[in-house]
Amino acid sequence: EAQVTQNPRYLITVTGKKLTVTCSQNMNHEYMSWYRQDPGLGLRQIYYSMNVEVTDKGDVPEGYKVSRKEKRNFPLILESPSPNQTSLYFCASSLYAPGTGVYEQYFGPGTRLTVT
Amino acid sequence: SQQGEEDPQALSIQEGENATMNCSYKTSINNLQWYRQNSGRGLVHLILIRSNEREKHSGRLRVTLDTSKKSSSLLITASRAADTASYFCATAGAGSYQLTFGKGTKLSVIP
Repeated sequence: EAQVTQNPRYLITVTGKKLTVTCSQNMNHEYMSWYRQDPGLGLRQIYYSMNVEVTDKGDVPEGYKVSRKEKRNFPLILESPSPNQTSLYFCASSLYAPGTGVYEQYFGPGTRLTVT
Repeated sequence: SQQGEEDPQALSIQEGENATMNCSYKTSINNLQWYRQNSGRGLVHLILIRSNEREKHSGRLRVTLDTSKKSSSLLITASRAADTASYFCATAGAGSYQLTFGKGTKLSVIP
């Protein structure tokens, strides 16, 4: 079954304690992305990757890091989480064609993060 | 940057009625996509319309695109209670590597 998986699904942590949210897809997609969703603000892109070792900042990258060492995995790293990073996080993957743009994205189930 | 803006923010209708949601955007696009999100869950892709297309259908969904007005609409016909969800438009900009989402329309279908 084609899917995007995220772990953990729920996480409560304390300010400053480094954490990693994993994301994996089994569709051989080149393009992967992280979003955060907050009430009233919709989905905002954090980082995206167009292929292995190619990553770029989205609209709200501050306080986050990513890496793309393998095509299927795209972990999101919070080196020193703060309460304003409490949010619902989604990983997504899709095909991508230069000059055509981003195609339909497949989303993971979400990770609800609370930083106290 | 937030490109798509959905209208209305919330919509409540009776089962069997049609629901129409609108999306406006600001810059030129390669394609525009609509997604559905059930409460707290991941988004599900509904339909993609390319910039050179004007209308597209998928089951009970009908999407139109007017690039001269930089707007799109999503029509759900004969709505069902199961259509209750938030609906988002997303734009893939020309020459951009990003998909930019609006804030969504919350649809409630009353049985």
